[in-house]
Amino acid sequence: QQQVKQSPQSLIVQKGGISIINCAYENTAFDYFPWYQQFPGKGPALLIAIRPDVSEKKEGRFTISFNKSAKQFSLHIMDSQPGDSATYFCAASVRTYKYIFGTGTRLKVLA
Amino acid sequence: EAGVAQSPRYKIIEKRQSVAFWCNPISGHATLYWYQQILGQGPKLLIQFQNNGVVDDSQLPKDRFSAERLKGVDSTLKIQPAKLEDSAVYLCASLDRANTGELFFGEGSRLTVL
Repeated sequence: QQQVKQSPQSLIVQKGGISIINCAYENTAFDYFPWYQQFPGKGPALLIAIRPDVSEKKEGRFTISFNKSAKQFSLHIMDSQPGDSATYFCAASVRTYKYIFGTGTRLKVLA
Repeated sequence: EAGVAQSPRYKIIEKRQSVAFWCNPISGHATLYWYQQILGQGPKLLIQFQNNGVVDDSQLPKDRFSAERLKGVDSTLKIQPAKLEDSAVYLCASLDRANTGELFFGEGSRLTVL
């Protein structure tokens, strides 16, 4: 019940395309859903986050879509660029600030 | 604003040896975490501190791992004795609980156990 399931494991997208990464959770106590971006040799860095009281949040080319009833959320990267090539992790946390991470999606954007 | 500092960045040891990792969180961040990230996997929580108290250490292998945060600032994670399966990146993170709730990670300490 504490798991966050992430898919796909890897993704290859052409430059300018849309990258979509999906996550699902079971624990309805989760109340904060961030996405982290990690480049090789670096720690994860917060990309964008959403709380369950909204269904969508957009920041630049990055959008989170949240479906509370389905217990799913997804990251959309519009106009994907080679510089977006990284590993992306979804996460979920509860009010105790315990973060559970997904298994990661390795994105490669072809020039 | 200085980020989360970790050292050493890389460490290679033989199995059954011991190793220690150090973390200095962002100033003012009372909540500190140690995560283990095995290659190709997501970060797995080992221990969460609030000031110098442990909030959650349910996934810390206590027979070989220990962690402390004596003065509520920097923290040390120790592994003794190390096993081959401990090869991973150990990430320290601190939480901006008072403002954004954002988790800030250090660059990690990569451990290779031979």
